[in-house]
Amino acid sequence: KNQVEQSPQSLIILERKNCTLQCNYTVSPFSNLRWYKQDTGRGPVSLTIMTFSENTKSNGRYTATLDADTKQSSLHITASQLSDSASYICVVTVQTSGTYKYIFGTGTRLKVLA
Amino acid sequence: DTEVTQTPKHLVMGMTNKKSLKCEQHMGHRAMYWYKQKAKKPPELMFVYSYEKLSINESVPSRFSPECPNSSLLNLHLHALQPEDSALYLCASSLVPTSGTGELFFGEGSRLTVL
Repeated sequence: KNQVEQSPQSLIILERKNCTLQCNYTVSPFSNLRWYKQDTGRGPVSLTIMTFSENTKSNGRYTATLDADTKQSSLHITASQLSDSASYICVVTVQTSGTYKYIFGTGTRLKVLA
Repeated sequence: DTEVTQTPKHLVMGMTNKKSLKCEQHMGHRAMYWYKQKAKKPPELMFVYSYEKLSINESVPSRFSPECPNSSLLNLHLHALQPEDSALYLCASSLVPTSGTGELFFGEGSRLTVL
């Protein structure tokens, strides 16, 4: 069964601290993995995309890693800001029969405090 | 233009009302999606349109009726909804598999409240 699990479920950190969010997946056939940021009541916005051959990718203060062997990804946030408070969703893409299928993780709710 | 536009942003309706949610994109994407999202949960897929044809219906009740009038527009018609249908409804679009990596572009969502 295709599944994406994220941890922790929620996280509270102080401003300017770093944090790392985890995503484990059992999805086949794997196409790519994306991290989305979703502010409360808004639509998700893509942060990074990781394909099978990529290990690390950065987008400003966000750095994503992918270990295709262990089927794990992480999102590291450096020097957190209050605006980082949001839900972070890991989405694995499966390409089958001419369409994309997106497997969503349960998300990590991050709260950054001043 | 990398936007998916949804209207209305907020909708309150009674259980006997008929209303519609609208979604528009001008990125040339030929795959469009409706998702339903409850609080603190990930989005749940409802429908997928590929080249303006319904390709996936995730066993959604018939009180939700999707429509894709052209390659840029996607509607969700609502009739006789229940209070438990209150949620954030997200529209998304993507390129089809032969054309790219399949990034989902989401709209801002329509917050639906059923009284």
